[in-house]
Amino acid sequence: NAGVTQTPKFQVLKTGQSMTLQCAQDMNHEYMSWYRQDPGMGLRLIHYSVGAGITDQGEVPNGYNVSRSTTEDFPLRLLSAAPSQTSVYFCASKMTGSGGEQYFGPGTRLTVT
Amino acid sequence: RKEVEQDPGPFNVPEGATVAFNCTYSNSASQSFFWYRQDCRKEPKLLMSVYSSGNEDGRFTAQLNRASQYISLLIRDSKLSDSATYLCVVRGYDYKLSFGAGTTVTVRA
Repeated sequence: NAGVTQTPKFQVLKTGQSMTLQCAQDMNHEYMSWYRQDPGMGLRLIHYSVGAGITDQGEVPNGYNVSRSTTEDFPLRLLSAAPSQTSVYFCASKMTGSGGEQYFGPGTRLTVT
Repeated sequence: RKEVEQDPGPFNVPEGATVAFNCTYSNSASQSFFWYRQDCRKEPKLLMSVYSSGNEDGRFTAQLNRASQYISLLIRDSKLSDSATYLCVVRGYDYKLSFGAGTTVTVRA
């Protein structure tokens, strides 16, 4: 019953450091996405993927990279962390073409100092 | 202008009360509509889809008004466990979802 898993749950970075947020799903979902959630802003789409080897930018992609080498994994890389990237990051997955039900991971709370 | 706008609340209601709130969306070509629920510091989860004719799921009733571009959610006989933030979600033709910032509901004993 794993669903969507994310690691780490919490992370503190210094400005300029890089890191990778991990996301994995075991539901064989083709569509995966990364969001960030900031107070008063709602979830904003960073990057998404409709299948292995295919990624595309969302609403707020700057400062982030993604790759999708397998159906299961969709890591998010912060290239050079900035305080503006302090946020809660959610990974989500769903069947391509399905309705609105996305399954979210538990989130990663990132603080950049 | 945000694609999906919601009254942030909070709506503070006693147990057993009815509470209702709306959201508006800007893209008239939006395809599908949903309400998600998010508990404090947890991930969002789908509460219900919203159909053109309106639909109920137990104590929850959702309505869609395409002409005025708004969606509503009504909760009857509120329970303490209904305390959460309710996210209005709209899907475009490209399957991407746009999320509102959420409406916070607090049910008190």
